[in-house]
Amino acid sequence: DQQVKQNSPSLSVQEGRISILNCDYTNSMFDYFLWYKKYPAEGPTFLISISSIKDKNEDGRFTVFLNKSAKHLSLHIVPSQPGDSAVYFCAASAGWGDTNAGKSTFGDGTTLTVKP
Amino acid sequence: DSGVTQTPKHLITATGQRVTLRCSPRSGDLSVYWYQQSLDQGLQFLIHYYNGEERAKGNILERFSAQQFPDLHSELNLSSLELGDSALYFCASSTGQIATNEKLFFGSGTQLSVL
Repeated sequence: DQQVKQNSPSLSVQEGRISILNCDYTNSMFDYFLWYKKYPAEGPTFLISISSIKDKNEDGRFTVFLNKSAKHLSLHIVPSQPGDSAVYFCAASAGWGDTNAGKSTFGDGTTLTVKP
Repeated sequence: DSGVTQTPKHLITATGQRVTLRCSPRSGDLSVYWYQQSLDQGLQFLIHYYNGEERAKGNILERFSAQQFPDLHSELNLSSLELGDSALYFCASSTGQIATNEKLFFGSGTQLSVL
């Protein structure tokens, strides 16, 4: 049972346009969500996060939206740049009292390609 | 540079063999996590150690084991290797005991190829 799902394996957008990456989760105990970016031959690096008490968090060109009722979050990149081309992983974690405590559960990733 | 060091970067071995992957966390981080990424798949959580003690276990095979030493570095031991164990193994560290509200810092991974 995959608790964090990224249903789009890949996404291609034009430079300057908006990139929207989506993520769905099933476990209502998840209370913290993170996005990581991964370039080839490197480990994932933290991009942005959001707590379940918020519905939006913004950091420069990156904004994460959380819809708890739909168990859905999305990452918006505006404007997209060729350097944003990478694999983006959505991750979720829960506090103590849940079997997911003590770990981050990752989706399978979405490969974003930004064309010049 | 995340500050997390993994060695070796590449490992090629044969079926039935045993290997050890090493991870040095960021200075000051007490938590170490191991993840496995197989081809075209996401990051599968294996195990979490905090300050030398096992804190959480994922879908880690019985042929796999790990430990965290007093100097906080960690080793992941994989034995009786099978072709399906070929994957990228990541180590990550964080400051605290649980992943909630904390971002993970990942090493660049060890690419294991079992032939």
